[in-house]
Amino acid sequence: GNSVTQMEGPVTLSEEAFLTINCTYTATGYPSLFWYVQYPGEGLQLLLKATKADDKGSNKGFEATYRKETTSFHLEKGSVQVSDSAVYFCALIFTSYGGSQGNLIFGKGTKLSVKP
Amino acid sequence: DGGITQSPKYLFRKEGQNVTLSCEQNLNHDAMYWYRQDPGQGLRLIYYSQIVNDFQKGDIAEGYSVSREKKESFPLTVTSAQKNPTAFYLCASTSGRHPFYEQYFGPGTRLTVT
Repeated sequence: GNSVTQMEGPVTLSEEAFLTINCTYTATGYPSLFWYVQYPGEGLQLLLKATKADDKGSNKGFEATYRKETTSFHLEKGSVQVSDSAVYFCALIFTSYGGSQGNLIFGKGTKLSVKP
Repeated sequence: DGGITQSPKYLFRKEGQNVTLSCEQNLNHDAMYWYRQDPGQGLRLIYYSQIVNDFQKGDIAEGYSVSREKKESFPLTVTSAQKNPTAFYLCASTSGRHPFYEQYFGPGTRLTVT
């Protein structure tokens, strides 16, 4: 079946360190891919997205590239800040042109803690 | 401001009682979703509704019920049949327009059953 696998956390980094959170997926077709972020005690917010192979999503200094050949969508940031401390979720969804809506499939989340 | 509201933020109930969690959106979205979040488990889909007066079971619907009488509202009832109801519950909605179906999330309700 379709699934998303993320690296297990927690991930602890010092401020200004480089961040990579790995995400790979298993899917029978060509899904759209997302990264969501959840700050403590809050709901999820969309961080970035990519809808087709080789697309690069970016937002707030975070980037992820849709790699069909490796079925991956790794999240990266060159210099993390304390305010980036949160839980990050990788997710995929299948869409169709017929108007029906797919359901998001989430990874288990990776907790990031950034120390000053 | 458009968005999704969930109330209350914290909810406490005794075992054996049914409890209803509220979810309201003013985004004019057709589809709405309920997720359950447990530590280390990610999000799991409970129920979803693509249109008023229609809804479908998600992956973990047992012990839950929903209604969708209005486009703006999608309340979730956690029944006494739900064996482990203590969790963080998230509501989401989407316009469902291609090419990507961004889901917008509410702030969540933390339910504790003792």
